[in-house]
Amino acid sequence: GAVVSQHPSRVICKSGTSVKIECRSLDFQATTMFWYRQFPKQSLMLMATSNEGSKATYEQGVEKDKFLINHASLTLSTLTVTSAHPEDSSFYICSAEGRYQETQYFGPGTRLLVL
Amino acid sequence: QKEVEQDPGPLSVPEGAIVSLNCTYSNSAFQYFMWYRQYSRKGPELLMYTYSSGNKEDGRFTAQVDKSSKYISLFIRDSQPSDSATYLCAMSGQAGTALIFGKGTTLSVSS
Repeated sequence: GAVVSQHPSRVICKSGTSVKIECRSLDFQATTMFWYRQFPKQSLMLMATSNEGSKATYEQGVEKDKFLINHASLTLSTLTVTSAHPEDSSFYICSAEGRYQETQYFGPGTRLLVL
Repeated sequence: QKEVEQDPGPLSVPEGAIVSLNCTYSNSAFQYFMWYRQYSRKGPELLMYTYSSGNKEDGRFTAQVDKSSKYISLFIRDSQPSDSATYLCAMSGQAGTALIFGKGTTLSVSS
């Protein structure tokens, strides 16, 4: 199956700092990437959808100035949590879908803890 | 009514049992149906993918889609302790669009 990686797997930061999370498709070109967040014992909540070379589309209630998404190439998307606060602590997961695929493959997730 | 309903469980079975996991949905436009397995603190792993109605089998796993009833199932035969995880159903109307997830069912298989 297709492989998607995320880096870092875990990050702890101080309140007010920014954190960048990378999502890479390792063996296919991802025309579309999705960013989700997941709180404990809850399902995945879509934050935004990004297509290579265009601006991300954010879900209602997700602040685009706080969660900056860049999909600069067909294998890399980044999510930057700006001025992170403790309530941003969560599990962030990306997924990717290629041009000839009909489903999404998920990365291993990044656990963010804001102190 | 939520778009996708899934009983969160937890579901506990003995090793070797047949497990049945189910989701119902309300949007008749859904065409792509997936089952993901998620271990604690890990990303979801694609288990089964079905387009439109029908059955699909892969080893111990069988996925069924009944579009007329808006009902999908995942069967696990000869369940193993390593199958203990949360199982998420997901669906979409078009390729390249966001998936709509169920809440996930937590399964525990005891040896």
